[in-house]
Amino acid sequence: SQQGEEDPQALSIQEGENATMNCSYKTSINNLQWYRQNSGRGLVHLILIRSNEREKHSGRLRVTLDTSKKSSSLLITASRAADTASYFCATDRDDKIIFGKGTRLHILP
Amino acid sequence: DAGVIQSPRHEVTEMGQEVTLRCKPISGHNSLFWYRQTMMRGLELLIYFNNNVPIDDSGMPEDRFSAKMPNASFSTLKIQPSEPRDSAVYFCASSFPGNTIYFGEGSWLTVV
Repeated sequence: SQQGEEDPQALSIQEGENATMNCSYKTSINNLQWYRQNSGRGLVHLILIRSNEREKHSGRLRVTLDTSKKSSSLLITASRAADTASYFCATDRDDKIIFGKGTRLHILP
Repeated sequence: DAGVIQSPRHEVTEMGQEVTLRCKPISGHNSLFWYRQTMMRGLELLIYFNNNVPIDDSGMPEDRFSAKMPNASFSTLKIQPSEPRDSAVYFCASSFPGNTIYFGEGSWLTVV
């Protein structure tokens, strides 16, 4: 069963612009994680935010978590061509980690 | 650490044949997950283990699928008999409970 749902499903932006992806989920969680997947590869962990945290930064990445709205956002600032990939949110509830269907991000040169 | 290691990376097999996918988790991790990824269904959790014990196998599609974890450093996912609709990428991942999960590079299965 799907827990997290990302939107938009696909996003194309110009290099240098910021990209924002959102994730909504249905039930209470222990933490939420964001992953990136390049075509033909496995998923790479980007950032983990726990249920008692509201915001986290890692380099050009900023993640927010609003447990009252059951939503999270991933912001990539100053996008680069190498950011082209699919991005997934994953919710952890009692160690069961469920992924959404992802947002396909395409950075235009 | 070498990360999560999966084999085979690619397999093409005929319908009806048995398929065995293998996974070596990161040393010390005590949670192991098997996922299946397709265009239609996205990334589905098939089964996960804690300390070698299956905790939730509700995602296993049907009786043709089985998974084992005989020890902390090895797990298998078996499909018998395989069908064309089983064609997908199968990922193994491991973690400490409640922490970042690390993925292998996947096993690309094609059943013809």
